[in-house]
Amino acid sequence: GIQVEQSPPDLILQEGANSTLRCNFSDSVNNLQWFHQNPWGQLINLFYIPSGTKQNGRLSATTVATERYSLLYISSSQTTDSGVYFCAVEGTGTASKLTFGTGTRLQVTL
Amino acid sequence: EAQVTQNPRYLITVTGKKLTVTCSQNMNHEYMSWYRQDPGLGLRQIYYSMNVEVTDKGDVPEGYKVSRKEKRNFPLILESPSPNQTSLYFCASSFAAAYGYTFGSGTRLTVV
Repeated sequence: GIQVEQSPPDLILQEGANSTLRCNFSDSVNNLQWFHQNPWGQLINLFYIPSGTKQNGRLSATTVATERYSLLYISSSQTTDSGVYFCAVEGTGTASKLTFGTGTRLQVTL
Repeated sequence: EAQVTQNPRYLITVTGKKLTVTCSQNMNHEYMSWYRQDPGLGLRQIYYSMNVEVTDKGDVPEGYKVSRKEKRNFPLILESPSPNQTSLYFCASSFAAAYGYTFGSGTRLTVV
């Protein structure tokens, strides 16, 4: 099946710093989403981005489907950004199933 | 508000006592699915449904049942729960393949 790798696995930032999270995937995808799992366990959908670039406030994402990677940018980080960020893909051969990466655990300190 | 609603949010039960976790969506989505999340194993798909009365196994279906009698509801049934089914469960829905999934808030299940 499709493989999804995220880096870095852990990240500690001071409030106000910027960061880039990376997601590599091993095959063609119909769907790619970025999620934030907050400390209460909820999965919050950040972006649906199978290709191209999107921005939402301090967050933006870029997916280069031909090179099989996606980047999530967090600017001016805040303590509320802490949690785990997941990349999830729906491969062209596995419709109706999201395959998740192992996540990047982000801690933002004061 | 468009959403996927799971109930209950938290549940502690005993081995062998049948339980149902409900999932409902108000977006008229065709696709619905269940995932479980475990430390070190990540999120894995249990079952999915592409339409009413159409369900299929995901990666870890053993010990679970589902039904899709109406488009909006997709309950997860544990006929005889065991401690290895202690996990965080998520329901998700999508308009169709490749349209992006919306997740419920999760159900934290403990089987003792």
